Amino acid sequence: EVHLVESGGGLVQPGRSLRLSCTTSGFTFGDYAMSWVRQAPGKGLEWVGLFRSKTYGSTSEYAASVKGRFTVSRDDSTATAYLQMHSLETEDTAVYYCTRALTFYGTLYFFDYWGPGTLVTVSS
Amino acid sequence: EIVMTQSPATLSVSPGESATLSCRASQSVSNNLAWYQQKPGQAPRLLIYGASTRATGIPARFSGSGSGTEFTLIISSLQSEDFAVYYCQQYNNWPLTFGGGTKVEIK
Repeated sequence: EVHLVESGGGLVQPGRSLRLSCTTSGFTFGDYAMSWVRQAPGKGLEWVGLFRSKTYGSTSEYAASVKGRFTVSRDDSTATAYLQMHSLETEDTAVYYCTRALTFYGTLYFFDYWGPGTLVTVSS
Repeated sequence: EIVMTQSPATLSVSPGESATLSCRASQSVSNNLAWYQQKPGQAPRLLIYGASTRATGIPARFSGSGSGTEFTLIISSLQSEDFAVYYCQQYNNWPLTFGGGTKVEIK
């Protein structure tokens, strides 16, 4: 059974950094892209970033709102995905979900499994 | 960026009735459209991908249709567990974008 569990969330001051981790099990991690989606309190879903599998180049994509501040990465040896967040803003306050991203052509991705999420609160 | 617009924002339906949810894209996304269900306090769950293909374990009462810019999710004979928020997502272009959601509530 596929499992994804996020960790590393919490309260952080504006301008500071935070790293989220996503521990996975139940599937061959290296075969899949991993992505992060966030949801501000009471709001809808916003895609944040994605890291492709080695098969598709181990490259990344980002939403404009986080590009240059956030970095997605992965460690295939431990089946763990990461989201490094710098220069955090109050608008980054959200539940952050780790997702497994499914593709049929290596270019188009949707999300077939989600973790329970971890809350990041950016406040002074 | 492709903007996804869902309507209505809220849909009030009685158990046993059907619900029709709409999702419109600001430009064509072919059939690269997914639907998700989210219940309060839970992560979203994939329902439909490729506009009309049900994900593993999704009941047949959920059906998706459409292509290009207009998409529909129909939930026939609503069960108590179907009352939730539903989101569409396009994956035809970067950045990946979601609609604002439709809340299906008990009438």
